[in-house]
Amino acid sequence: DTEVTQTPKHLVMGMTNKKSLKCEQHMGHRAMYWYKQKAKKPPELMFVYSYEKLSINESVPSRFSPECPNSSLLNLHLHALQPEDSALYLCASSQESGVYGTQYFGPGTRLLVL
Amino acid sequence: GQNIDQPTEMTATEGAIVQINCTYQTSGFNGLFWYQQHAGEAPTFLSYNVLDGLEEKGRFSSFLSRSKGYSYLLLKELQMKDSASYLCAVRDPYGGSQGNLIFGKGTKLSVKP
Repeated sequence: DTEVTQTPKHLVMGMTNKKSLKCEQHMGHRAMYWYKQKAKKPPELMFVYSYEKLSINESVPSRFSPECPNSSLLNLHLHALQPEDSALYLCASSQESGVYGTQYFGPGTRLLVL
Repeated sequence: GQNIDQPTEMTATEGAIVQINCTYQTSGFNGLFWYQQHAGEAPTFLSYNVLDGLEEKGRFSSFLSRSKGYSYLLLKELQMKDSASYLCAVRDPYGGSQGNLIFGKGTKLSVKP
């Protein structure tokens, strides 16, 4: 089983709203990732958690705030987003981060910021 | 620097064979991945190569030459459902992403009847 789940599937929010994206995996993977993908572009890495600790933050604006409550869950808290933040947000997990493991992606959350 | 190149678009006929090429220049190398992504959906893992040679998985095969910085994905007996973008990604342990994936821009494959 290589399933990563994400909720919600779609999200529409205003620029003053606060919302959260959720990601879950039960494969025992110790690394989890957030990516942002704009139309016709490849995924762009945002954050990496390894063993529940933030190991990479790819210079992401502070209006995106990740959280890893436990080894199976990853959240992305959103606040005061801009219309250009509209994109597909993908969660992925792998056995380890860095030089080991294949990343498996969740179905994504399609976000629209008005 | 890090650079991954693949053709932007390709068209092929149902039942045919198509080869999607990927070339890369990275500081280091620890594996090359191919993902399939249908429009509006998440990438799905297809294959992984870390040693030179051909990996076969059903209708899909992937080849790697580390000395040439080159890989290809071969799709046989094309079906309409194979219409998708195909992403080449390299793991570079010495790159800025600390060994995490660097994606190419993807090749959009259209399969026609």
